[in-house]
Amino acid sequence: EDQVTQSPEALRLQEGESSSLNCSYTVSGLRGLFWYRQDPGKGPEFLFTLYSAGEEKEKERLKATLTKKESFLHITAPKPEDSATYLCAVRNSGNTPLVFGKGTRLSVIA
Amino acid sequence: DAGVIQSPRHEVTEMGQEVTLRCKPISGHNSLFWYRQTMMRGLELLIYFNNNVPIDDSGMPEDRFSAKMPNASFSTLKIQPSEPRDSAVYFCASSLRKDYGYTFGSGTRLTVV
Repeated sequence: EDQVTQSPEALRLQEGESSSLNCSYTVSGLRGLFWYRQDPGKGPEFLFTLYSAGEEKEKERLKATLTKKESFLHITAPKPEDSATYLCAVRNSGNTPLVFGKGTRLSVIA
Repeated sequence: DAGVIQSPRHEVTEMGQEVTLRCKPISGHNSLFWYRQTMMRGLELLIYFNNNVPIDDSGMPEDRFSAKMPNASFSTLKIQPSEPRDSAVYFCASSLRKDYGYTFGSGTRLTVV
């Protein structure tokens, strides 16, 4: 059974204080690792897809990286508007629907 | 495009009542997914459709839950009878193909008292 574990559950940062969120996974043949951002009262919003170990994707202050066992979402010099829950999800070689982790709740304080 | 549209946004109902949640996927998307989100369990897949056909409903908790997709632009998730443990946020998502990324709706927050 595919599993996704995210850590920490919650993270509080000062504005400008860089950090990383972790997503560990076990999957039968990775066909994609997805990062989503979820704001309160809204649905998850797609950020990145990574397909193979060593791949990196960037968007503004966010950079996602992938190894064979985990993915990191690096946040450089975060701003209060980066506060949200960040969700990680995997798709396996059977092309079954995405399996999500429980998310990391990020708060960035001005 | 208006995105994935869900209704209602909030639903409060009494235990034992029937609840129907609605979803309009993005036009042209062939796959539709129903997820449930709780603090304890996170996002869990309930059921998904490809080209209006249910493919896997193994995530549906019990026979009290049912889902339909009568056409490409509409799907419903019904709970009958509802119970307090069904309280959660229910999300609908659609995708151009089942192996593409998903676009989620804003969700329906269901409270069963």
